[in-house]
Amino acid sequence: DGGITQSPKYLFRKEGQNVTLSCEQNLNHDAMYWYRQDPGQGLRLIYYSQIVNDFQKGDIAEGYSVSREKKESFPLTVTSAQKNPTAFYLCASSPNTRLMAEAFFGQGTRLTVV
Amino acid sequence: GDSVTQMEGPVTLSEEAFLTINCTYTATGYPSLFWYVQYPGEGLQLLLKATKADDKGSNKGFEATYRKETTSFHLEKGSVQVSDSAVYFCALLNTGGFKTIFGAGTRLFVKA
Repeated sequence: DGGITQSPKYLFRKEGQNVTLSCEQNLNHDAMYWYRQDPGQGLRLIYYSQIVNDFQKGDIAEGYSVSREKKESFPLTVTSAQKNPTAFYLCASSPNTRLMAEAFFGQGTRLTVV
Repeated sequence: GDSVTQMEGPVTLSEEAFLTINCTYTATGYPSLFWYVQYPGEGLQLLLKATKADDKGSNKGFEATYRKETTSFHLEKGSVQVSDSAVYFCALLNTGGFKTIFGAGTRLFVKA
C-alpha cells in the first residue's frame, strides 16, 4: 500500500548527540514536510521541500537539518544545537503544492532526551 | 499572515451528543480548508476538506461548510461515538501556498 513510513517510532537520545529520523514515501509526491508537535499544542513547521535537492526552513528550523537527495526520502537530523528536542515529530507529503491538495502524514516518531 | 483559530479544548461529551468545534481563519486570497483528526500516538489523517466558498465537506458523519462571509469552517457531527475521541485540527492551504497552516487542535473526549 502507498503511504509514508517514519522510523523509528520511539527514539531516545543522550544529551549532545545528533540523531536522524527517517521518512520515506511511495506516493510519488513532490513536496515533503517535517513538523514538530509538543504536548497539547499544534504543529510547527521545521523544514519543507518542494522538489528534490531543494528545501527551505520553516518556522522553527534552528537545531535541525534535512536533505532531499531522493524524491521518496526526507530525513531529519536533530542536532545537539537543538536545546529542547523532546517532542513528537511528524513527516508529511503532498502531491503538488499548486494543486492545493491535502497533506498525508506518517505515524510519527517520539523523541526523548535522556 | 495566514492563521487559523479553533476553540480550546478539551471538549467532553456523552455518546450520541451533538458536536460543534469552531474554527475561524484569516487569509488573503481563496484558501482550501481542511479538518484533520489525530488518534492517540498516531499521525494526522484528513477528515474532510472544502476548496471554495459554500462547499460542504463531509465524511464519517462529520460535516463542515466553508463560510467566506464569516471566515469560518466549523466542524459538526450529529451523534458522537466513543471512537470519535481524538484531537481535531482545522487547517488552511492558501492559493499558491507551499505549507498548510494548522490550528492548535481541539481534544475531544466522548464518554460512554
